Amino acid sequence: QVQLVQSGAEVKKPGASVKVSCKASGYTFTSYGISWVRQAPGQGLEWMGWISAYNGNTNYAQKLQGRVTMTTDTSTSTAYMELRSLRSDDTAVYYCARENIVATSNWFDPWGQGTLVTVSS
Amino acid sequence: SSELTQDPAVSVALGQTVRITCQGDSLRSYYASWYQQKPGQAPVLVIYGKNNRPSGIPDRFSGSSSGNTASLTITGAQAEDEADYYCNSRDSSGNHLRVFGGGTKLTVL
Repeated sequence: QVQLVQSGAEVKKPGASVKVSCKASGYTFTSYGISWVRQAPGQGLEWMGWISAYNGNTNYAQKLQGRVTMTTDTSTSTAYMELRSLRSDDTAVYYCARENIVATSNWFDPWGQGTLVTVSS
Repeated sequence: SSELTQDPAVSVALGQTVRITCQGDSLRSYYASWYQQKPGQAPVLVIYGKNNRPSGIPDRFSGSSSGNTASLTITGAQAEDEADYYCNSRDSSGNHLRVFGGGTKLTVL
């Protein structure tokens, strides 16, 4: 079955970086893109960005430009999201999701299980 | 960038019909997708495209769209439908971005 499995929880100090992995299985990795979505405690979903697993093209949310980098390793069917210069308001559960895009719509399915990143001094 | 607006909370009596709405300029160009999220769990896709349900999603879930508003309808709501629901679409600004609504907490009475 199609599945995304993410790396484990992280605790980081302000100013540090974190890199979360998302390993895909059950489908041809390079046929889809991966989006990253985060959710701060008690808050809604926030789209962070997208990477094409086919050619590595990326689109990032404007508020994260310059602090986030998304990459893929097609040899292991794994996507990565690195966030730098961490602040306390980056504390959130980070999700990866396979994204389908057609002319007039997009959708995320399936989602990874989520990775809690806690930023605290 | 575009925004999507949802009512923060909606309630429905068990077995009745409820509509959850999502408004935004991008919905004039793109269909919304809808996600159900229960506490402590990852979101789950329930509707995508014009009105498509992934395998395993009950047929009491349906979607529609008119103008700048997308709607998720649950016909005959069940106790297990109590959850947060989020809409999402592509941004219509031409920047290849995506946007989520703020989410609607559905309570089944």
